[in-house]
Amino acid sequence: EIVLTQSPGTLSLSPGERATLSCRASQSVSSSYLAWYQQKPGQAPRLLIYGSSSRATGIPDRFSGSGSGTDFTLTISRLEPEDFAVYYCQQYGSSPLFTFGPGTKVDIK
Amino acid sequence: QVQLQESGPGLVKPSETLSLTCTVSGGSISTYYWSWIRQPPGKGLEWIGYMSYSGSSNYNPSLKSRVTISVDTSKNQFSLKLSSVTAADTAVYYCARLRITATTSAFEYWGQGTLVTVSS
Repeated sequence: EIVLTQSPGTLSLSPGERATLSCRASQSVSSSYLAWYQQKPGQAPRLLIYGSSSRATGIPDRFSGSGSGTDFTLTISRLEPEDFAVYYCQQYGSSPLFTFGPGTKVDIK
Repeated sequence: QVQLQESGPGLVKPSETLSLTCTVSGGSISTYYWSWIRQPPGKGLEWIGYMSYSGSSNYNPSLKSRVTISVDTSKNQFSLKLSSVTAADTAVYYCARLRITATTSAFEYWGQGTLVTVSS
């Protein structure tokens, strides 16, 4: 089983600042099969990034993804008030077929 | 715009079977893959399984012995059954449309989620 570890657990930043979130896999993950989701309290997760770097429909370009192998990054270039949320990475390909990281909470400093 | 809506009992007794239905609107269920994911209160996300419109399926090994996912193309719905539930199965259950291709995979659209509590 591929275990995804996300760091930091909580990121405290101010609006306008840059956020850098890390997702590390216990084994190599195909960059095609690494996705990122945003979840706000009381809401379902929303797909942000698929294929490690492709933005989903309607996602602003301040969100970007990068990485390969075991290290992946989600970057929010300038935090907007609506970006404060929990972010999950997710991999596909190893049993169980889909696993999620534990999440990084981005909160207001 | 594709929309998904979960429905089913919010309270299930221990040892009984949890049954949920997801109704898909704004698109046909006769394509893509359809999946269930759950989230215990205050915790992270756990994939339960998926089924395609054509009948291919895959389940999380940790739940496989208790899970059945089925698709009803005539109603544009798909369903989850989880048997022999315990308090550990208390969670918000989400249905989602899953895209799997040779070059990518992601849960593209999600329902709003429904809380299922296992308690006597």
